[in-house]
Amino acid sequence: AQSVTQPDIHITVSEGASLELRCNYSYGATPYLFWYVQSPGQGLQLLLKYFSGDTLVQGIKGFEAEFKRSQSSFNLRKPSVHWSDAAEYFCAVGPGSGGYQKVTFGTGTKLQVIP
Amino acid sequence: GAGVSQSPSNKVTEKGKDVELRCDPISGHTALYWYRQRLGQGLEFLIYFQGNSAPDKSGLPSDRFSAERTGESVSTLTIQRTQQEDSAVYLCASSSRISSYNEQFFGPGTRLTVL
Repeated sequence: AQSVTQPDIHITVSEGASLELRCNYSYGATPYLFWYVQSPGQGLQLLLKYFSGDTLVQGIKGFEAEFKRSQSSFNLRKPSVHWSDAAEYFCAVGPGSGGYQKVTFGTGTKLQVIP
Repeated sequence: GAGVSQSPSNKVTEKGKDVELRCDPISGHTALYWYRQRLGQGLEFLIYFQGNSAPDKSGLPSDRFSAERTGESVSTLTIQRTQQEDSAVYLCASSSRISSYNEQFFGPGTRLTVL
């Protein structure tokens, strides 16, 4: 069964600092991988996704993530964090094949940005 | 109506009462998901609908939970004899295809509080 681990429940960074949120997945083949962001009181919004090709994917709001098969990781990065990035971030994995796509979400990482 | 909508946005009920939560997916989206998000936790899959196929109910936590969807339109999640542990945000998502990766578009959620 597929699974996702986000080892950091809560992260605090200073505005302007770089950010890396960790995500490790478990799946027997090539997965589809997603990062979603949930701002306070809002629904989840897709930041970026990986399903094939270049292992470094660019997303919205200046975020990027790198798929590393050898490490079963899909870490999210941003070179310079803005105060508006404070939110909860969810990594998700789905089967990398056709048919029904049941996506499994991690437990989330809450990001706090301090001035 | 561009996005997924959910109603009500907030629902407070007494233990033992039944509640109905509604989800309006994006027009044309054939797949619809319900998730539960307890405070401080990740997304817990509840049920999945895809067109006229039999739904995947494997995530429903008990027989007090049920959901219906008419065709490719509105879905209703019903919780009977609510318990305090049912308190959570219930999120609905829809997606447009299952033959490839399926980006899910989320609604804002319904916050359910069981007193």
